[in-house]
Amino acid sequence: ELKVEQNPLFLSMQEGKNYTIYCNYSTTSDRLYWYRQDPGKSLESLFVLLSNGAVKQEGRLMASLDTKARLSTLHITAAVHDLSATYFCAVDDMEYGNKLVFGAGTILRVKS
Amino acid sequence: DVKVTQSSRYLVKRTGEKVFLECVQDMDHENMFWYRQDPGLGLRLIYFSYDVKMKEKGDIPEGYSVSREKKERFSLILESASTNQTSMYLCASRPEGASYNEQFFGPGTRLTVL
Repeated sequence: ELKVEQNPLFLSMQEGKNYTIYCNYSTTSDRLYWYRQDPGKSLESLFVLLSNGAVKQEGRLMASLDTKARLSTLHITAAVHDLSATYFCAVDDMEYGNKLVFGAGTILRVKS
Repeated sequence: DVKVTQSSRYLVKRTGEKVFLECVQDMDHENMFWYRQDPGLGLRLIYFSYDVKMKEKGDIPEGYSVSREKKERFSLILESASTNQTSMYLCASRPEGASYNEQFFGPGTRLTVL
């Protein structure tokens, strides 16, 4: 059974600092997704990572995927207040083609 | 842009009531999903549907049923609501034949069962 673990679950950081959110998963998959959720809002797709070594960047966020280690990272560079949100990773369950398994989410608070 | 809409943003029901949550997508997607979101647990799949009148159980189907009579509409039904079904419910869709499983989410319905 595929399990997805994110850490940390809560991250409070100062503006201008760098940090990384980690997403580990338990069984083979080469497709991983990062979503952002603002308070009271729905999930917005951030990144789609489809192969080992994939790296995607958008503004101050960069995501990468290592399928051998079953690990994805979401790196935040020089955080700003607008990045405050909850970030989820989700992994394709290769045994069930339609199924995404989500991590618990990381609540990010950027303090000015 | 894909648009997924849900019938209510907030809903308050009493224990034992029958509850219908509606989801509509406007992009002709074959696949539709219902999740519930609880703090610290992420999103958990309740049911999904890959075609009209077709449905598959997800990880936590107990206490729920679904209906898909039209391609664009996927309904989640709580036959007899209980307090442990108080949660945020999210609907999502994605097209068939896509090479990956990026799903598009609706705004969510926050259900409180008293």
